[in-house]
Parts: sequence; structure tokens; C-alpha cells
Amino acid sequence: DGGITQSPKYLFRKEGQNVTLSCEQNLNHDAMYWYRQDPGQGLRLIYYSQIVNDFQKGDIAEGYSVSREKKESFPLTVTSAQKNPTAFYLCASSPGPHQPQHFGDGTRLSIL
Amino acid sequence: QKEVEQNSGPLSVPEGAIASLNCTYSDRGSQSFFWYRQYSGKSPELIMSIYSNGDKEDGRFTAQLNKASQYVSLLIRDSQPSDSATYLCAVVASGTYKYIFGTGTRLKVLA
Repeated sequence: DGGITQSPKYLFRKEGQNVTLSCEQNLNHDAMYWYRQDPGQGLRLIYYSQIVNDFQKGDIAEGYSVSREKKESFPLTVTSAQKNPTAFYLCASSPGPHQPQHFGDGTRLSIL
Repeated sequence: QKEVEQNSGPLSVPEGAIASLNCTYSDRGSQSFFWYRQYSGKSPELIMSIYSNGDKEDGRFTAQLNKASQYVSLLIRDSQPSDSATYLCAVVASGTYKYIFGTGTRLKVLA
């Protein structure tokens, strides 16, 4: 079955620690995205990538980093510079800019 | 800043009624519009996409687009308690790969 796999489902971060959220897709989509969702809020764009080895900052990129070395993979690192990382993180992909996005099941990140 | 606005709700409708959800957007050049449903604690799932002015129907769902007035709406006919969720409107910003999401409207269908 084609889809987007995010792991882990739950993640806990200690103070000063960097953590990496995994996102893998087998839909052969060119574009991939990371969103953050806080309780009762909409989706805010962190980073997106249109093609391999290229990515752009979204609206709330500070404290986050990404890489896109393979078409299938778009990992997100939440660095210690992100002071309020507790949120629901969603990875999405789309074939192109006017096509619907498909979402993974999300990773819920909390601070220990 | 390109924006997408939705009434946060909750919008309460009785079972079997029509639920009407609205969304306005600021980017006049936008060409692609989507409605997603999100159950509590879950990820969004696509309901409808619409690209041209007018109505598009899929089962109990109808999306309506009016580019001149910059609004897109979603009608849910014969609403069921299982339709209770948050509905997110998304618009692709013109000339980009960026999808701008509204904050969502929470729908409650009362049995």
C-alpha cells in the first residue's frame, strides 16, 4: 500500500537535546512538507521541499532543520533552539503544487 | 501575509440536516482549493478538491468555489454523527508550492 510513514508516533525530548522525526513516502511524490499543529490550531508550515536536495523555510522554521537527500525521505530535526517544541507534527507529500496533499499519521512530541 | 479564514465554531447541526462550512482567502491568484476532515488526535484526510468556479459534488459532500468573492464552501448533506470533526480549508498560494491552511471549523452533529 502506498502512503506516508511517520515515526515514532510519540517522542519525548529532554532539555538541550536535538531529536529527529522520520518521514518516508512511497507515493513517488516530488514535494514534501512538515507542519506543526498546536491544540485547537490549524497547520503551520515549518519546511517544504519541491525536489531532492532542495528545501525552503516555511512560516515557523526557527529551531528546526531538514534534509532531502532522497525523494522518499524528508526527516525533521527539532533542535534545542526550539524552546517550545511540544506539538503534533505532521508530514505531507503531494505530486505537485496543485494536487492534494497526503498526510502521515503524525508524531506527538513532548518535553520531559 | 496570505491568509485563509474559517469560523472556528463549534457548528452544531441535528442529524440528517445540511451542514454548511465556509472559508475565505486573501490570495486572489490562488487556483487550487481543498477541504480536509480531521478527527481529534488524528491527521487530516482529504474530502474534496476544487479548482473551477461553481459546484463539485461527491456523495454527500458538495464543494462550492467563487473566485470573484474569494470564498470556498463545503456542504454536507444528511449529516451523520460520524461527520463530527474539524474541517480544514486549504488554499495553494499562487506561484508557490505552499498550502495555506485555515484554523478549521469544528462540526458537531447531534444524534
